[in-house]
Amino acid sequence: DARVTQTPRHKVTEMGQEVTMRCQPILGHNTVFWYRQTMMQGLELLAYFRNRAPLDDSGMPKDRFSAEMPDATLATLKIQPSEPRDSAVYFCASRIRDSEAFFGQGTRLTVV
Amino acid sequence: GDSVTQMEGPVTLSEEAFLTINCTYTATGYPSLFWYVQYPGEGLQLLLKATKADDKGSNKGFEATYRKETTSFHLEKGSVQVSDSAVYFCALIHPGNQFYFGTGTSLTVIP
Repeated sequence: DARVTQTPRHKVTEMGQEVTMRCQPILGHNTVFWYRQTMMQGLELLAYFRNRAPLDDSGMPKDRFSAEMPDATLATLKIQPSEPRDSAVYFCASRIRDSEAFFGQGTRLTVV
Repeated sequence: GDSVTQMEGPVTLSEEAFLTINCTYTATGYPSLFWYVQYPGEGLQLLLKATKADDKGSNKGFEATYRKETTSFHLEKGSVQVSDSAVYFCALIHPGNQFYFGTGTSLTVIP
């Protein structure tokens, strides 16, 4: 059963620390999305890639966030330095051509 | 630009009641339309989809019809169950583009 895998599922860190979230898209999917979900803002698109190239990262705070796809099987989202307002659930999703998006189970980040 | 507007929640219904969650969209051309469901602590799962005008998507008793004349894709279910309690998201996408999600509608079904 193909699925998007995100690690870690939960992360608690102190303010100022670096956080790295990882996503393994479904094999063969060429588009990867990063979303952030909070109660106040709902689901926000942070960035997305096609064939490993970033297409849009306008939703991401550039000073502290970075997203990369080192290879076709791994997408990463880094926050450095982390702040309490970054506390949220971060979702990765992938798709191929005109399919629907398949979501991972998310990384719940708490910055204290 | 493209956007999706969803009915505000939360919605609370008794078991076996009829459900409608309204969704309208703004888009050029002919996007594909989706309903996703999110259960507590989980990611979003596809519930149903429609890729062209007048298509009806259906799954698990839920239905939605792609209405281009009213730019709508309302979600309906004839008889809800407690297990349908979740957050429902309407979304659209153009081929090769990003997804646009609505704000989500929380549904609670009480026995």
